[in-house]
Amino acid sequence: KAGVTQTPRYLIKTRGQQVTLSCSPISGHRSVSWYQQTPGQGLQFLFEYFSETQRNKGNFPGRFSGRQFSNSRSEMNVSTLELGDSALYLCASSFEARDGYTFGSGTRLTVV
Amino acid sequence: DQQVKQNSPSLSVQEGRISILNCDYTNSMFDYFLWYKKYPAEGPTFLISISSIKDKNEDGRFTVFLNKSAKHLSLHIVPSQPGDSAVYFCAASPVQGAQKLVFGQGTRLTINP
Repeated sequence: KAGVTQTPRYLIKTRGQQVTLSCSPISGHRSVSWYQQTPGQGLQFLFEYFSETQRNKGNFPGRFSGRQFSNSRSEMNVSTLELGDSALYLCASSFEARDGYTFGSGTRLTVV
Repeated sequence: DQQVKQNSPSLSVQEGRISILNCDYTNSMFDYFLWYKKYPAEGPTFLISISSIKDKNEDGRFTVFLNKSAKHLSLHIVPSQPGDSAVYFCAASPVQGAQKLVFGQGTRLTINP
């Protein structure tokens, strides 16, 4: 079966712009989470959505937001981009958390 | 405040030998732990997990040990194979069923032929 699909794979944006990243979970998975990976901070949890509701949230500013649609697909949005937002953004999905989460290949965002 | 720590940024092991990757945590509310493997340009791949009610979980060549009193877990890979060369992350979750994973910084494992 298809894995977690993230689009686009690469993105270059200018400071001050906004960006929307997309994640399609594995069919049947209801939980979608987003993580940011940077060389300095490692993998950090952004937020998790379950059945279209945000269930958990990490310690990121309000510029980072997300949503989940009825088909479990999820988007995350970053407004007023800063240079420090350059990172690999990873999406993970699961049916139940104890099954282990399946990650997508990520979207590499570069802010210039 | 690094709640999950992998103190070894890198580890080099000979093919066929045992690889032992270590992870320490500080938050006693963590009760579910996972190990992930990551290749460049790919997302992390789930390897094995363990609940805090256990002290060992085994899956093929991979075994995870949990020492709750020491707040320490380790991943053993036996025997190590060249394809095991990757970055390994340990992760912890405070509530089983929740997606809020806290990751360590990762250990780069290199298996030498």
